[in-house]
Amino acid sequence: EPEVTQTPSHQVTQMGQEVILRCVPISNHLYFYWYRQILGQKVEFLVSFYNNEISEKSEIFDDQFSVERPDGSNFTLKIRSTKLEDSAMYFCASRSGQRGVETQYFGPGTRLLVL
Amino acid sequence: AQSVAQPEDQVNVAEGNPLTVKCTYSVSGNPYLFWYVQYPNRGLQFLLKYITGDNLVKGSYGFEAEFNKSQTSFHLKKPSALVSDSALYFCAVRDIIGGGYNKLIFGAGTRLAVHP
Repeated sequence: EPEVTQTPSHQVTQMGQEVILRCVPISNHLYFYWYRQILGQKVEFLVSFYNNEISEKSEIFDDQFSVERPDGSNFTLKIRSTKLEDSAMYFCASRSGQRGVETQYFGPGTRLLVL
Repeated sequence: AQSVAQPEDQVNVAEGNPLTVKCTYSVSGNPYLFWYVQYPNRGLQFLLKYITGDNLVKGSYGFEAEFNKSQTSFHLKKPSALVSDSALYFCAVRDIIGGGYNKLIFGAGTRLAVHP
């Protein structure tokens, strides 16, 4: 069964450094998402991406964040200058876009720790 | 604004007993509702969804959920709990704002502990 994959599974970085989190969505899916989960808290939406552009972003997704789909398979989240409060589990999700098929499928997540 | 509430932080159940994990929602229009499960150090796994149709929805691993429009609820149920069901369960609703891109809005999660 097709899955969303994410790399790395864990990332430790120093405050102020740039990080890139990678995702490979399910191959025929058209809608892509990033969410994050700070330890012990709820899952929060960051950004959605469709047709090679951001379709919606949350207040969390400020100028330090960017997303890109550099080729036909990868979907990346970049944090330019990490802050301590960026420490969280980051989930990528994708959805097919077929009418009536609303399910978003999530990857296993990348645990980011900013020191 | 769309929202989801999971009123219980934790639910404790003995193995073999029925379980219920509660979820209520607040949306404008018809809700699209989802349940996901998160095992330790794992991602979110889709369990089931309600889009339209029969109010009782069956999903993975023997779980089901009942959509109740009058009570704005979508409780997750299982007739006989297993120790392996112990995990964190999230209820989510599709946001209707944002055109077709429709992010999910999650509840705070309920930790299910099934005891032998």
